Amino acid sequence: DQQVKQNSPSLSVQEGRISILNCDYTNSMFDYFLWYKKYPAEGPTFLISISSIKDKNEDGRFTVFLNKSAKHLSLHIVPSQPGDSAVYFCAASANSGYALNFGKGTSLLVTP
Amino acid sequence: SAVISQKPSRDICQRGTSLTIQCQVDSQVTMMFWYRQQPGQSLTLIATANQGSEATYESGFVIDKFPISRPNLTFSTLTVSNMSPEDSSIYLCSVWGGANTGELFFGEGSRLTVL
Repeated sequence: DQQVKQNSPSLSVQEGRISILNCDYTNSMFDYFLWYKKYPAEGPTFLISISSIKDKNEDGRFTVFLNKSAKHLSLHIVPSQPGDSAVYFCAASANSGYALNFGKGTSLLVTP
Repeated sequence: SAVISQKPSRDICQRGTSLTIQCQVDSQVTMMFWYRQQPGQSLTLIATANQGSEATYESGFVIDKFPISRPNLTFSTLTVSNMSPEDSSIYLCSVWGGANTGELFFGEGSRLTVL
């Protein structure tokens, strides 16, 4: 069963606007959450993470928000740039272990 | 960070054949991980390869179908045996960033198409 869900397979945003990518999870044991970005013909690259003891983590244009009660996290990109166009994967792990559970990804397209 | 190289980057294979994917890391690592991404699906962990011991397989994956070698701390291979079209996927090698980061570093992936 899919423990990490990204219900939007695709998202289109205009350059300069905010991109919001959503992720839901079902396993209450998850305590570490990550976002990866993947370009075609490349492996996923780590973008940003958040521990369950926090509700927000910010790194430049990227901010991840965690709502533990709702088992929901989101990635905000602002301002969005055409180079941000990629597939974004949400991932989670339990007990800070190495095994990551991934969502199916959301394909973001940032248009000029 | 770790630099991970995979070969082949892509291949087209015939049904019933086997293909071995190689993964080379630029630093010594204890654990290496093999993931699969089927079309339109999430990344799924196949197995964990530790140097000097048998690989640990996740539910749904078996050694006969996906034999793994780990001869040293910088190299691993994954073989996809007796391939069928359902094995058409991207296979990714990864290593752990370490206890302080909790993140994985991935190779560029090997895209296999089975006819």
